[in-house]
Amino acid sequence: GESVGLHLPTLSVQEGDNSIINCAYSNSASDYFIWYKQESGKGPQFIIDIRSNMDKRQGQRVTVLLNKTVKHLSLQIAATQPGDSAVYFCAENIRGGSYIPTFGRGTSLIVHP
Amino acid sequence: EADIYQTPRYLVIGTGKKITLECSQTMGHDKMYWYQQDPGMELHLIHYSYGVNSTEKGDLSSESTVSRIRTEHFPLTLESARPSHTSQYLCASSEFGTGTGELFFGEGSRLTVL
Repeated sequence: GESVGLHLPTLSVQEGDNSIINCAYSNSASDYFIWYKQESGKGPQFIIDIRSNMDKRQGQRVTVLLNKTVKHLSLQIAATQPGDSAVYFCAENIRGGSYIPTFGRGTSLIVHP
Repeated sequence: EADIYQTPRYLVIGTGKKITLECSQTMGHDKMYWYQQDPGMELHLIHYSYGVNSTEKGDLSSESTVSRIRTEHFPLTLESARPSHTSQYLCASSEFGTGTGELFFGEGSRLTVL
């Protein structure tokens, strides 16, 4: 079938480097943000989340930064490994209501051994 | 671990056939979604539901239809498949109300129409 839309941007890194993936969101009212990882042939899976009352949250090898002033999120992956190769999506949401979460375009991360 | 299941995982059919992609979740989530995604491309929301008897069209127009007769089940139907329907279809669910809105995705159904 004919593809709709644009191909995802790609980030190529060497194994062991740090990776930074960026995402812009659109709704100033969004108060909850999630990063998802989608491996080839699978559905997206939750990596890390952050609420709008925070500007940084850390997990295992991953850190999410939130800048509400410019409506920007970033996902930092430390010591990137080949297993991190995947497509990464950010999603914005308004908790507690009927809002439908909105996904960003996604970034394809390729880790070279 | 998410408890949301899609069948079939892979389907190859001829033009004009009617197909139904199944999606079931055992988490009791009210909200359910169908996304269409071509390889290396964005996620496009095609249908969603707030609960039983609720169905809404998403951002991307689609010739498919959905139904929500039971909370746990959200099937997607194509009455007459065409090659332009070739794609991956992802089902997801999330809590309504006080939940965080995290979506739990199935593994996807990859459809090829010849």
